[in-house]
Amino acid sequence: KQEVTQIPAALSVPEGENLVLNCSFTDSAIYNLQWFRQDPGKGLTSLLLIQSSQREQTSGRLNASLDKSSGRSTLYIAASQPGDSATYLCAVEPPGQNFVFGPGTRLSVLP
Amino acid sequence: NAGVTQTPKFQVLKTGQSMTLQCAQDMNHNSMYWYRQDPGMGLRLIYYSASEGTTDKGEVPNGYNVSRLNKREFSLRLESAAPSQTSVYFCASSPSYNYGYTFGSGTRLTVV
Repeated sequence: KQEVTQIPAALSVPEGENLVLNCSFTDSAIYNLQWFRQDPGKGLTSLLLIQSSQREQTSGRLNASLDKSSGRSTLYIAASQPGDSATYLCAVEPPGQNFVFGPGTRLSVLP
Repeated sequence: NAGVTQTPKFQVLKTGQSMTLQCAQDMNHNSMYWYRQDPGMGLRLIYYSASEGTTDKGEVPNGYNVSRLNKREFSLRLESAAPSQTSVYFCASSPSYNYGYTFGSGTRLTVV
């Protein structure tokens, strides 16, 4: 059974710092990996989707990479801002199955 | 704006009452999903519909029923609400496998 973990569970950084969030999965046989952001009391907003043939995706200050062989993905946030404070979740899609979600990393960016 | 719309946003039920959570998407997606999110448990799949006319159980289906009314709408019904069903419920949709999910804003349900 595919399991997804995210380390750290919580992270607090000063504004302006570059940071990396980690996502690990137990079975390397996945199609896609998707990163989401969730603000308190809100729904999930898709940030980046890395499809089966891709190894990374970039959107603005965000860069996500995927290494299927090692079962890892990283989300890099450049020049963090207080508005980046949220919970970040990763989810992996095994072949022919529904997405499996990680527990999330709660990020606080301090002014 | 295109996306996934959930109603209601908040609901309080008494134990034993029934209700239906509504979800609609206007992106012509084939697949739709219902998740619940609980502290410390993460997102857990309740039911999903891979295409119009089909529904399947997810990880935690007990106490719930679903209806895929048409391609746009996927409803979740609680026949006899229990306090254990207090949660935040999210609907999501996807074109099909190998594509990402789009989520609604959620329904916060409290059962007293």
